[in-house]
Amino acid sequence: DTAVSQTPKYLVTQMGNDKSIKCEQNLGHDTMYWYKQDSKKFLKIMFSYNNKELIINETVPNRFSPKSPDKAHLNLHINSLELGDSAVYFCASSQDLSTDTQYFGPGTRLTVL
Amino acid sequence: DQQVKQNSPSLSVQEGRISILNCDYTNSMFDYFLWYKKYPAEGPTFLISISSIKDKNEDGRFTVFLNKSAKHLSLHIVPSQPGDSAVYFCAASGGGTSYGKLTFGQGTILTVHP
Repeated sequence: DTAVSQTPKYLVTQMGNDKSIKCEQNLGHDTMYWYKQDSKKFLKIMFSYNNKELIINETVPNRFSPKSPDKAHLNLHINSLELGDSAVYFCASSQDLSTDTQYFGPGTRLTVL
Repeated sequence: DQQVKQNSPSLSVQEGRISILNCDYTNSMFDYFLWYKKYPAEGPTFLISISSIKDKNEDGRFTVFLNKSAKHLSLHIVPSQPGDSAVYFCAASGGGTSYGKLTFGQGTILTVHP
């Protein structure tokens, strides 16, 4: 029974398109995150949400818009995709904001052609 | 600005021996440190953590050591097993306005040979 799931696992698209990645956690956690792993393999936080409220927005271009319909879901919508957006995107969750241990989804590999 | 660094891109160890993975940090506000393990095409999996009020935490074959004065932590795996072969990331967090933000190192690829 998957704790943090993401769809799709792979996404190949053309520059300029708009795409979404979905994330769901069944751990009952209050806090969810999006991370980007770039070509140099660094994992960098993009956003965090706590009980559907945006907490961290780590200077991400406004083409990226997270949406949390409820505390179990945090989706990432990307407008006008660029080549540099190609990366692996990981969703994660934690019990709450004060709990440091985060649990990660399997990742979505986005390739922009 | 890399606040968390893992200076060894890779480490190769014989099965049964000790694996030591190292991590350095620069931000003195960090007060909690974690190690994650990652297999290809999977997300990072939490392994072990340590608070800055401790200098050692042990969980089975895994022990994390923290040297605050040197801003250095290490993960010891004893004995190493082939299934331990993966990428290991250290991560750090600090409180205050950084709640929930993990800063990761770039990872060390561990290969354990049978």
